[in-house]
Amino acid sequence: EVQLVESGGGLVQPGGSLRLSCAASGFTVSNNYMSWVRQAPGKGLEWVSIIYTGGSTYYADSVKARFTISRDNSRNTLYLQMNSLRAEDTAVYYCASRSGTTTPIFFYWGQGTLVTVSS
Amino acid sequence: DIQMTQSPSTLSASVGDRVTITCQASQSISSWLAWYQQKPGKAPNLLIYKTSILESGVPSRFSGSGSGTEFTLTISSLQPDDFATYYCQQYSAYPLTFGGGTKVEIK
Repeated sequence: EVQLVESGGGLVQPGGSLRLSCAASGFTVSNNYMSWVRQAPGKGLEWVSIIYTGGSTYYADSVKARFTISRDNSRNTLYLQMNSLRAEDTAVYYCASRSGTTTPIFFYWGQGTLVTVSS
Repeated sequence: DIQMTQSPSTLSASVGDRVTITCQASQSISSWLAWYQQKPGKAPNLLIYKTSILESGVPSRFSGSGSGTEFTLTISSLQPDDFATYYCQQYSAYPLTFGGGTKVEIK
């Protein structure tokens, strides 16, 4: 059974940093396109970033140059390093993927981790 | 960036109704469109990809159609479990973008 488990969320002040983790089981992070998708409270879904199997990365304009997606193959874990956080980054952050394809759609989702940016 | 516009934003319907949700792309995305269902407090669930291909395990009352810039999600006979929010997502180009969502409510 595939499981994606996010962690690392919490309360952070504007301008601060946070690193989110997404630990995978029953699923190999390095063999699949892995994304982060976020959802602000009461709002819709917003794609944040993706990392390809080959290591290429893409970002939403709203987080470019502030967020960095990466993975640790030995730990089978996906990360999102978030710097220079703003109030508008407040959201539940999900890691998401779909195995067996290079198509950036999302079948597997974690339970989400809440990031709150506030003073 | 490709903007995805869903309509309506809210839809009131009864069990057994036929329901149609529309998603319009700001430029052609060919057939690179997916649909998701989300219930409160839960992660989204992938229903359809490449406009009309049902994900495994998704009931056949769900169907998708369209191409280019106009797409629809149809629920042929609304069931109690279908009351939720639905999102379209284009994956023709980066950044990937979602529609604003359509909340299907009980009439």
